[in-house]
Amino acid sequence: AQSVAQPEDQVNVAEGNPLTVKCTYSVSGNPYLFWYVQYPNRGLQFLLKYITGDNLVKGSYGFEAEFNKSQTSFHLKKPSALVSDSALYFCAVRDRKSGGSYIPTFGRGTSLIVHP
Amino acid sequence: EPEVTQTPSHQVTQMGQEVILRCVPISNHLYFYWYRQILGQKVEFLVSFYNNEISEKSEIFDDQFSVERPDGSNFTLKIRSTKLEDSAMYFCASSERQGSNQPQHFGDGTRLSIL
Repeated sequence: AQSVAQPEDQVNVAEGNPLTVKCTYSVSGNPYLFWYVQYPNRGLQFLLKYITGDNLVKGSYGFEAEFNKSQTSFHLKKPSALVSDSALYFCAVRDRKSGGSYIPTFGRGTSLIVHP
Repeated sequence: EPEVTQTPSHQVTQMGQEVILRCVPISNHLYFYWYRQILGQKVEFLVSFYNNEISEKSEIFDDQFSVERPDGSNFTLKIRSTKLEDSAMYFCASSERQGSNQPQHFGDGTRLSIL
């Protein structure tokens, strides 16, 4: 079974400050990990993914995420937040174990609010 | 950049009626998906579709639901005999391949309100 947890319903940060949105996962094998962003009244937009290789993954809009296998985490980060980054962020995981589902499991989402 | 488009953006229906939600996936994509998001809750997988067949479905996708690709461009979700608890945002998504490292491209959703 695969699952993902986003422990914070909401993250507040001041514009220009670094931001972190947390995600932890559980899989029986190795994970594929994804971050999506959802702006109001819009669908989910793909931000970045971890498949293999470097633990630090860079994505769209200056976001990056760090895969930490020992902590089973994939936290989303950005060095300097913008007000326009305010949105709902979803982490998703898919177990790489062969024969399993191709469908990722999404977290509950974290609302990021960046204050001017 | 090509987009997944969904119509209508908002559908209001009386309980017990049938609704059809429509999606036009990205043209060179071969795999199609429906998800739903009840207000304030997480995104839930409903069904995936490839080569005119359902590939996977969740426990939510019971006999009340069906999907169809009636022509070369549209992908529809039909909900028969709607219930109040069917009220949600329904998202269509598509991907070029089904490999598990492939990101899915989502439409902006249809907000379904059952009265």
